Amino acid sequence: DTAVSQTPKYLVTQMGNDKSIKCEQNLGHDTMYWYKQDSKKFLKIMFSYNNKELIINETVPNRFSPKSPDKAHLNLHINSLELGDSAVYFCASSHRTSGRSGETQYFGPGTRLLVL
Amino acid sequence: QKEVEQNSGPLSVPEGAIASLNCTYSDRGSQSFFWYRQYSGKSPELIMFIYSNGDKEDGRFTAQLNKASQYVSLLIRDSQPSDSATYLCAVKRLGTYKYIFGTGTRLKVLA
Repeated sequence: DTAVSQTPKYLVTQMGNDKSIKCEQNLGHDTMYWYKQDSKKFLKIMFSYNNKELIINETVPNRFSPKSPDKAHLNLHINSLELGDSAVYFCASSHRTSGRSGETQYFGPGTRLLVL
Repeated sequence: QKEVEQNSGPLSVPEGAIASLNCTYSDRGSQSFFWYRQYSGKSPELIMFIYSNGDKEDGRFTAQLNKASQYVSLLIRDSQPSDSATYLCAVKRLGTYKYIFGTGTRLKVLA
């Protein structure tokens, strides 16, 4: 069983289009994240939701809008795609417990976005 | 200064040797430290986490933390070609959700 899944795995689209990426986790975690990894492998946090509440909103263009319909799902919608949006987008989840073992993040397989 | 710094490498070591990967961080409030391995085209996977100063061993892997000097390292003993990957260091403040990653060190283990 896949713990954290993302769709689609690959996304090739034209500049100016709007696209969505979906993420689902079946680990029972209460916190989910979106990361962007650029060509130099730098993994930067974009958003985080805890129990459907937005708790991290980094300096990201407002063309990016996350949505969490429930604890197990976190989607990312991108409007007016630009060349610079080309990257790998990773979803991750963790469980906020009183113990530190809950801090471990589990990553999805990534969505490779190429904007032409 | 970057928040989490790693030498990008590549770090090349012969098979069977010890690979030593280093990471420094700028936020003295960081209290949780993680090492992830990422194979080319794959997602990061957790190798180890460490919270207390000193060494923590797990099989062939040893994480070392020195909060006074603000560095954390990962030692891989008996390196294997299958260890060839990019190793990402991440830090976090206790009670927060924000993980800050370094840019990773690419390790090549030569057979």
